[in-house]
Amino acid sequence: AQSVTQLGSHVSVSEGALVLLRCNYSSSVPPYLFWYVQYPNQGLQLLLKYTTGATLVKGINGFEAEFKKSETSFHLTKPSAHMSDAAEYFCAVNHAGGTSYGKLTFGQGTILTVHP
Amino acid sequence: GAGVSQSPSNKVTEKGKDVELRCDPISGHTALYWYRQSLGQGLEFLIYFQGNSAPDKSGLPSDRFSAERTGGSVSTLTIQRTQQEDSAVYLCASSLVTHKRTGGTGYGYTFGSGTRLTVV
Repeated sequence: AQSVTQLGSHVSVSEGALVLLRCNYSSSVPPYLFWYVQYPNQGLQLLLKYTTGATLVKGINGFEAEFKKSETSFHLTKPSAHMSDAAEYFCAVNHAGGTSYGKLTFGQGTILTVHP
Repeated sequence: GAGVSQSPSNKVTEKGKDVELRCDPISGHTALYWYRQSLGQGLEFLIYFQGNSAPDKSGLPSDRFSAERTGGSVSTLTIQRTQQEDSAVYLCASSLVTHKRTGGTGYGYTFGSGTRLTVV
């Protein structure tokens, strides 16, 4: 079974400050990990993903995430927040084995607010 | 098409009526998923299609919900005798499949913009 926990349903930062959105997962086999962003009244857009190889992955809009197997974490960061980053962010896990049929399991989401 | 297309974008229906939600995936994507997003509930998996078959229907909340996919392309999610608790945004996603046996994907999903269903 796989699951995802996002710590903090709401995160608030000032414009220009570091953004850190936390995600921990559980998976019985090596995972594929994803971060999605959802702007108001829109669908989900893929920010970045980890499958294999380099554990630090870079995505769109200056975001990056690091896969830490020992900590079962995949936290999302951005050095300097912009007002346009305000959205809801979802972490998700998937793996190639078992009977999950590629089903992505999502965390509950973290709403990011950016203050001027 | 270039992206995943869902229609209608908004649907208001009376309690007890049937509704059909349509999803047109990216051409060539064999995997198709339906999720439901309710306020405060996150993303809830409903059903997965690989081609025209549905190996995983475990998320359908009741027998009022059904889905089909034809020609390995368009999918329709049908909700019969709608109830107020069915009000939500219904999201469709499609994907290339990395692992044919299990459907595992390292590509992630491409989502449509969703259908907002309101049952009054």
